[in-house]
Amino acid sequence: DQQVKQNSPSLSVQEGRISILNCDYTNSMFDYFLWYKKYPAEGPTFLISISSIKDKNEDGRFTVFLNKSAKHLSLHIVPSQPGDSAVYFCAASGSNYKLTFGKGTLLTVNP
Amino acid sequence: DAMVIQNPRYQVTQFGKPVTLSCSQTLNHNVMYWYQQKSSQAPKLLFHYYDKDFNNEADTPDNFQSRRPNTSFCFLDIRSPGLGDAAMYLCATSRDLRENQPQHFGDGTRLSIL
Repeated sequence: DQQVKQNSPSLSVQEGRISILNCDYTNSMFDYFLWYKKYPAEGPTFLISISSIKDKNEDGRFTVFLNKSAKHLSLHIVPSQPGDSAVYFCAASGSNYKLTFGKGTLLTVNP
Repeated sequence: DAMVIQNPRYQVTQFGKPVTLSCSQTLNHNVMYWYQQKSSQAPKLLFHYYDKDFNNEADTPDNFQSRRPNTSFCFLDIRSPGLGDAAMYLCATSRDLRENQPQHFGDGTRLSIL
C-alpha cells in the first residue's frame, strides 16, 4: 500500500511559468516532508523540506506548502527554468526517521 | 566536497553469481542506507546502519546482506542474484536518527543480471 502518492507521472511547463508538483500521503504519523530532484544517471538531490509544525517553507524559487488536514503537499517552482527539468520525488518520515518515497513526477520545462 | 560515492556505477553479473556494491562517504555521518529502485518506482529501503547497529527492513529478501567495516564504507552483497534483482541501488547517509534531516544520496549503481 503506497503511503506517499504522486499521482502525476509527468508535467510539462513553459519556461518562466509556475510549476506545481503535488504529493498526497496517507500516514497521519508522518511529520517531516521532503522534495528531492533527480537528473538522469545521478542520485536524488535534496531540494527542500518542511516540518509538520509549518505550512509553508520557501527557498529561492522553490516553495513547499503543507496541508495537514488534506494530507497534501505541493512544490511550487517560480519561475521555472529549463534546468529544472528532472524527476521530482516527494518523501515523508515519522518518528522512526525512515523516508517513504513517492514514485516521482517527471517535470519538463520547455524553452 | 563532502559526498557519497558509489562504485561501480554500472555492474553486470550473471544469474546466481554473487556481487558486491560499494558505498563510501566523506560526510562522517552515523547512518548509512541502501535502497533499491526499479524503473518508474519509488526507492525502497532495504536496510540501514546506525553506526555499527544493523537494521533490516522486514520485507528485504535474505539474499541481500550488508557490511559496514567502518564509518566511511558500507557494502551491499547480493548472494545469488536473480533476474528480479536488476535495479538501481542507491546508497544514502544521514547524520543520525534522532532528528528530522535530509538524507544525502550517491549516484547509484545500476545492476544488470545476465
